Amino acid sequence: GENVEQHPSTLSVQEGDSAVIKCTYSDSASNYFPWYKQELGKRPQLIIDIRSNVGEKKDQRIAVTLNKTAKHFSLHITETQPEDSAVYFCAASPTNTGNQFYFGTGTSLTVIP
Amino acid sequence: DAGVTQSPTHLIKTRGQHVTLRCSPISGHKSVSWYQQVLGQGPQFIFQYYEKEERGRGNFPDRFSARQFPNYSSELNVNALLLGDSALYLCASSSATAVTFGSGTRLTVV
Repeated sequence: GENVEQHPSTLSVQEGDSAVIKCTYSDSASNYFPWYKQELGKRPQLIIDIRSNVGEKKDQRIAVTLNKTAKHFSLHITETQPEDSAVYFCAASPTNTGNQFYFGTGTSLTVIP
Repeated sequence: DAGVTQSPTHLIKTRGQHVTLRCSPISGHKSVSWYQQVLGQGPQFIFQYYEKEERGRGNFPDRFSARQFPNYSSELNVNALLLGDSALYLCASSSATAVTFGSGTRLTVV
């Protein structure tokens, strides 16, 4: 089955700096890669996603890049703000499986004011 | 806005007992998946159902079972509870273009 690895497990940045979280996956059949933000005690919330036919996607301060050949994808947050502090999860979904997601182990991001 | 509804929100059970968790998907969503999230870890895929049929199963023992009803709601059943089953159980419903998680059921096994 699919195996997703995520690094780093914790990340601290100064407010205004950029944060980068990296994930690798194992199943070449995976074609959908969402990123979720989870605040303490709350449900995961989708923040951005990318499909395998696209190499990069950007939404305001958040961007995701995908390298299918190397089987890795990354989340980039620019101009970080204290409210960006949360746990971020990457996930991979094999072709045509709907909402079967295989999640990484999470990155706890702390933005220091 | 009727999102994904899970019940109960919190539950305490004793080792060896049985538990049933319930999920009502967003209206129009025909697919429901279940995830287990142990504290400090990412959600782990348990089951996916689509149109009342099992479409996928994660690496969980046979103590875990699920079903989906004609109205697309779903139940997750866990038998012979172990301490290690303590976790947040998340339900996700999806259409062709969107996936939404419920707020989860926090299960504590003592």
